[in-house]
Amino acid sequence: EAGVAQSPRYKIIEKRQSVAFWCNPISGHATLYWYQQILGQGPKLLIQFQNNGVVDDSQLPKDRFSAERLKGVDSTLKIQPAKLEDSAVYLCASSLGTGEGYTFGSGTRLTVV
Amino acid sequence: GENVEQHPSTLSVQEGDSAVIKCTYSDSASNYFPWYKQELGKRPQLIIDIRSNVGEKKDQRIAVTLNKTAKHFSLHITETQPEDSAVYFCAATTRTGRRALTFGSGTRLQVQP
Repeated sequence: EAGVAQSPRYKIIEKRQSVAFWCNPISGHATLYWYQQILGQGPKLLIQFQNNGVVDDSQLPKDRFSAERLKGVDSTLKIQPAKLEDSAVYLCASSLGTGEGYTFGSGTRLTVV
Repeated sequence: GENVEQHPSTLSVQEGDSAVIKCTYSDSASNYFPWYKQELGKRPQLIIDIRSNVGEKKDQRIAVTLNKTAKHFSLHITETQPEDSAVYFCAATTRTGRRALTFGSGTRLQVQP
């Protein structure tokens, strides 16, 4: 089966600029996750979707981060405006149900300068 | 919410030796514990998982043990090989709930040839 697709692979922006990441999950996977992985740390959940509804966005910095999954398939994560501390790899994952059977995408490495 | 602590942060072993990585979790409702391997610049890949109804699971050179009373679980790698060098993450969640995986901070394993 095709994996989780993410783009872009790399992005360098200046602070205060905006950026958007895209994720296409495995076909049929109802649950989609965005994780932030800062260098040297474990992935930290930003937001979890079940189909096109938000299940958990408690750790999403909503003053600058937003995410959507309009048709229950693809998802976009946006940061506006970016800060230096947003430099990280943004991982998208999907699963059939919740919790188990995660498949991760290759991630987007964001560098904010 | 769930909190997962992982130790050690770095581990160096000689080829052929065993490696053990330990994790503790805080939420007694957690009942699913996967382990992921992440090679440099790559996505996390599931290597083994355990559910709370078993105390140990083995897959060739990899084994995971779970102590629900003490709320800790461990990854054991025997006969280590240079290709085992990577960062390993433990994680925890509840299978029946809608909660996403909470990850540990990672262990960088270096196998010296």
